Amino acid sequence: NAGVMQNPRHLVRRRGQEARLRCSPMKGHSHVYWYRQLPEEGLKFMVYLQKENIIDESGMPKERFSAEFPKEGPSILRIQQVVRGDSAAYFCASSPFADNEQFFGPGTRLTVL
Amino acid sequence: AQSVAQPEDQVNVAEGNPLTVKCTYSVSGNPYLFWYVQYPNRGLQFLLKYITGDNLVKGSYGFEAEFNKSQTSFHLKKPSALVSDSALYFCAVSDNAGNNRKLIWGLGTSLAVNP
Repeated sequence: NAGVMQNPRHLVRRRGQEARLRCSPMKGHSHVYWYRQLPEEGLKFMVYLQKENIIDESGMPKERFSAEFPKEGPSILRIQQVVRGDSAAYFCASSPFADNEQFFGPGTRLTVL
Repeated sequence: AQSVAQPEDQVNVAEGNPLTVKCTYSVSGNPYLFWYVQYPNRGLQFLLKYITGDNLVKGSYGFEAEFNKSQTSFHLKKPSALVSDSALYFCAVSDNAGNNRKLIWGLGTSLAVNP
């Protein structure tokens, strides 16, 4: 059973471009969480999704950020019109049930020039 | 509001000595508590969790943690540290309300085990 997959591992964008981050949860996992890790700020929750549904997006910035977890395919975190402050490591985690520990992917390191 | 505090930015310990990495939390309701470890340029690896039951929880790589409800603490311990334990350790908490298990994280503690 492969672990949580994230791609790309590294992503460089210029200001104003769009960034798409993909997360394939472990097989059988229907709960997906996205976290952002900023230097000096630690990990911050962004959004929690179950298949096709956004359950909690209280950690997402109100503008430019969106997330989806379609019935087929990976979960996508989309950042439109990126700014330098979006530079961070973005981690995806999945779990099979709500009460299980979360399994993390290797992260996508976004650099905005 | 839920919060996690890791009061030490860095912990240094000699190889073979016991280690403790501290964590305190604040959460409404009963907490779910976790420890994760992060190696350089890697994702987070699960070490152990407390959901319910025995206050002493044993996890991966010889680590254990003790849930102390009165002190709202969940300190990570290991009887004999290895150089390979050097990494960044994160404590996290969620509450047991509903099915949303979003994790609230401490800022991390950098553990350095010296040969």
